Amino acid sequence: EAGVTQFPSHSVIEKGQTVTLRCDPISGHDNLYWYRRVMGKEIKFLLHFVKESKQDESGMPNNRFLAERTGGTYSTLKVQPAELEDSGVYFCASSSGTGRNEQFFGPGTRLTVL
Amino acid sequence: AQSVAQPEDQVNVAEGNPLTVKCTYSVSGNPYLFWYVQYPNRGLQFLLKYITGDNLVKGSYGFEAEFNKSQTSFHLKKPSALVSDSALYFCAVRDRDTGGFKTIFGAGTRLFVKA
Repeated sequence: EAGVTQFPSHSVIEKGQTVTLRCDPISGHDNLYWYRRVMGKEIKFLLHFVKESKQDESGMPNNRFLAERTGGTYSTLKVQPAELEDSGVYFCASSSGTGRNEQFFGPGTRLTVL
Repeated sequence: AQSVAQPEDQVNVAEGNPLTVKCTYSVSGNPYLFWYVQYPNRGLQFLLKYITGDNLVKGSYGFEAEFNKSQTSFHLKKPSALVSDSALYFCAVRDRDTGGFKTIFGAGTRLFVKA
C-alpha cells in the first residue's frame, strides 16, 4: 500500500511569491489533515478535510492560506503571497474512520521564504 | 484550550538502559493520546495510542506508555533502549468530547541512545 506522498519535498521562494503544496493521501482515507512545524517548535494543526469538505480550518493562520481537496482525493495548500514567517515544514496526514484512529503522515514539504 | 507539553528537548540514555520520554497534556474533555516517532527525512510514524481501558498501552518496537489521568500524563517508556531508537518523538492529544479529530502535538523530544 502506498503511503502519503507530498510534493515538492523542498521549496525556496521569495517573499511575495506564491507556492502550492500537494498531498496525496492513502487511497480510501476520507480524513486529510495539514500541519506545520516551524523552527523546532510544536507541530501545529492547520485544517482537517473529510472527503472534499473542510471540517475544521481553525488552525489556518490567515487568508493568505488556501486549502482545497477537489473530488475528495488529493489536496493542495496554496500560500499567496508568501511571507517570511510562513517558512517551516508542512506535513500532510490522512486517516480512516473515527478520531480514535491514528494518522499516517507524509514526509513533509520544507518551505523556505527568503 | 488543548495543549501538550514535552518538558525535555533531548533525552540521552545508554544502550540497554531503560528510557522515559515525558508528556503531559491539557484538554477540556476526555483525551485520546498518541505517540509518534520521526526518523530523519521521514514523516511521523505512529507508535501507540490510548483510547480507553487499560492505562498501560503497548506499541511498536517494544515501546509502552502509561496513561495517568490524575497527573494528566502519558509518558513513553521502553525497558531497554537500542541505538536505533534514536529519533524525534512527539506526543499528541485529541479531545474525544469535541469530536476527536483535531490533534494537538507537543514540540517533540529528541532521544539519543549511545552505544
